[in-house]
Amino acid sequence: QQQVKQSPQSLIVQKGGISIINCAYENTAFDYFPWYQQFPGKGPALLIAIRPDVSEKKEGRFTISFNKSAKQFSLHIMDSQPGDSATYFCAASIAGGGADGLTFGKGTHLIIQP
Amino acid sequence: DSGVTQTPKHLITATGQRVTLRCSPRSGDLSVYWYQQSLDQGLQFLIQYYNGEERAKGNILERFSAQQFPDLHSELNLSSLELGDSALYFCASSVDLAGAPGNTIYFGEGSWLTVV
Repeated sequence: QQQVKQSPQSLIVQKGGISIINCAYENTAFDYFPWYQQFPGKGPALLIAIRPDVSEKKEGRFTISFNKSAKQFSLHIMDSQPGDSATYFCAASIAGGGADGLTFGKGTHLIIQP
Repeated sequence: DSGVTQTPKHLITATGQRVTLRCSPRSGDLSVYWYQQSLDQGLQFLIQYYNGEERAKGNILERFSAQQFPDLHSELNLSSLELGDSALYFCASSVDLAGAPGNTIYFGEGSWLTVV
């Protein structure tokens, strides 16, 4: 059972454009939503995270938008740069841990074209 | 560098064999997680330990087992290996439980397992 659905699977964006990756979750008990960035040959690294008490969180060029009623959240990368080319994973978990630890989406392979 | 150390980085073994993957968490981290990453299944949560005790279990096969030792390092044992077990296995660690306020989960660089 896939509890976090991520789209698109791959995305090509021109340099300077906005990259948008979407995720939807099913388990209403989830209350922590991180995004991870993974470069080839490396482990995933935390990029930004949000909790459901806010609808948006911004850190530099990265913004998470969260819609609790729709059970959806998205990552926006403003002014996308070639160095942002990586695989991005959304994830969800329950504070204090749950049976699934961090549940990940299947990832989005992002390519920023110069 | 996340501070999570995994060994070996690469491993090739035959079907039916048994291997052990080792993980040293970040200094001070009590939680250790194991994930399996494959092209078709993405990042799958296997198991979590917290301060030596099993805390959460995910999609871990019965042929797989793990433990966390008193010094907090962890080992993932994979036995009766099949071709389909070929994947990248990640260890991750954090101070607290997943999702706890302010708790960040850090991933190692993974152990590539190829079963031939």
